[in-house]
Amino acid sequence: GEDVEQSLFLSVREGDSSVINCTYTDSSSTYLYWYKQEPGAGLQLLTYIFSNMDMKQDQRLTVLLNKKDKHLSLRIADTQTGDSAIYFCAESIKVNTGKLIFGQGTTLQVKP
Amino acid sequence: DADVTQTPRNRITKTGKRIMLECSQTKGHDRMYWYRQDPGLGLRLIYYSFDVKDINKGEISDGYSVSRQAQAKFSLSLESAIPNQTALYFCATKTDTGELFFGEGSRLTVL
Repeated sequence: GEDVEQSLFLSVREGDSSVINCTYTDSSSTYLYWYKQEPGAGLQLLTYIFSNMDMKQDQRLTVLLNKKDKHLSLRIADTQTGDSAIYFCAESIKVNTGKLIFGQGTTLQVKP
Repeated sequence: DADVTQTPRNRITKTGKRIMLECSQTKGHDRMYWYRQDPGLGLRLIYYSFDVKDINKGEISDGYSVSRQAQAKFSLSLESAIPNQTALYFCATKTDTGELFFGEGSRLTVL
């Protein structure tokens, strides 16, 4: 079946790099997404990667995709306190429906 | 102004009451979605709609119904609310490239 798994919590110090990991089960996924949710707010798309790509970089964000292992990661360089939030991994399993399967979310805590 | 607006933002109700959560969007997107968020479970899809005549069930549609009154409006109803429907509910619209735009959420508590 379709499933997306994430670790629930990550704590880093300000200025360090953060790496949030995600595994998924559906090999037919076409797009994989990272969303950020700040307290009391909705989800904001951070970045996404096509399934035929291995890596995508956008300023402080680097997404790595290992399609063989069905593993996705989000690296945040020079993590700031404003990066503290819940990060959701999601896969789009059927492009025409727009259905996304979300992971449980990883809470990132950034200590000063 | 927000592109996707949900009302109410917070609601406390009692078991057995009928509740409607409303969503409106100014983005002109055809596709709209209702998700439910529970701690530790991520977001789960309740219903989605491709246009006013096309409504589809998601993963957890039991106990819920929806109405797509217009391209810009998509409402979620709980005909007889129960405590395990206490959750944070999100409406979203979708671009052609697959990006979901979320509302700020409606927190529902069923006592």
